[in-house]
Amino acid sequence: DIVMTQSPDSLAVSLGERATINCKSSQSILYSFSNKNYLAWYQQKPGQPPKLLIYWASTRESGVPDRFSGSGSGTDFTLTISGLQAEDVAVYYCQQYYTSPQTFGQGTTVEIK
Amino acid sequence: QVQLQESGPGLVKPSQTLSLTCVVSGGSISSGNYYWNWIRQPAGKGLEWIGRVHTTGSTYYNPSLKSPVTISLDTSKNQFSLSLSSVTATDTAVYYCARCGGAFYFDSWGQGTLLNVSS
Repeated sequence: DIVMTQSPDSLAVSLGERATINCKSSQSILYSFSNKNYLAWYQQKPGQPPKLLIYWASTRESGVPDRFSGSGSGTDFTLTISGLQAEDVAVYYCQQYYTSPQTFGQGTTVEIK
Repeated sequence: QVQLQESGPGLVKPSQTLSLTCVVSGGSISSGNYYWNWIRQPAGKGLEWIGRVHTTGSTYYNPSLKSPVTISLDTSKNQFSLSLSSVTATDTAVYYCARCGGAFYFDSWGQGTLLNVSS
């Protein structure tokens, strides 16, 4: 199985500041034929299911605010929240879908400083 | 906008068989190139993908799971089900049903149903 490792486990950011979450896969999840990275990001608030934010490493899901952005390729990826809002307090997960079984990172908790 | 809603017994005894159902509304589970999935999350922990069933009925399960798993479609009721046999306390979790397309990221999720395995 591909192991997804996120860092940090938690971070506290002031309102309006930038939050950066990293995700590393144990092998490349870039499919060279299509030049696409098989990586998604999710946001999970307490008591709610995960919500898809980003897929193909950098494509925002419809309705997701543009302060959320994804970047990276191969084995190293980043989710950036530019201008943290109070409603962004949540746990964020990365997920690879390059191979089955699909696997998730352990999650990163984002809090307000 | 497709919507998914899980239901289940809430409490199951160890060694019994767990059965959960996910009712889909706003779209047919037997049309389109979609996969219908089960994912679970123990309290305070991360997400584990259990398996999926395609609109054609073909299935794929996570080989890392210790308990035997079956996922099936019921097109007459527009729902799909999860059966997990010989459950143990480690199967205690919130169980989510979710949809994905040909690329296996999950774009629609149910609210989740809590399952407790306890005697």
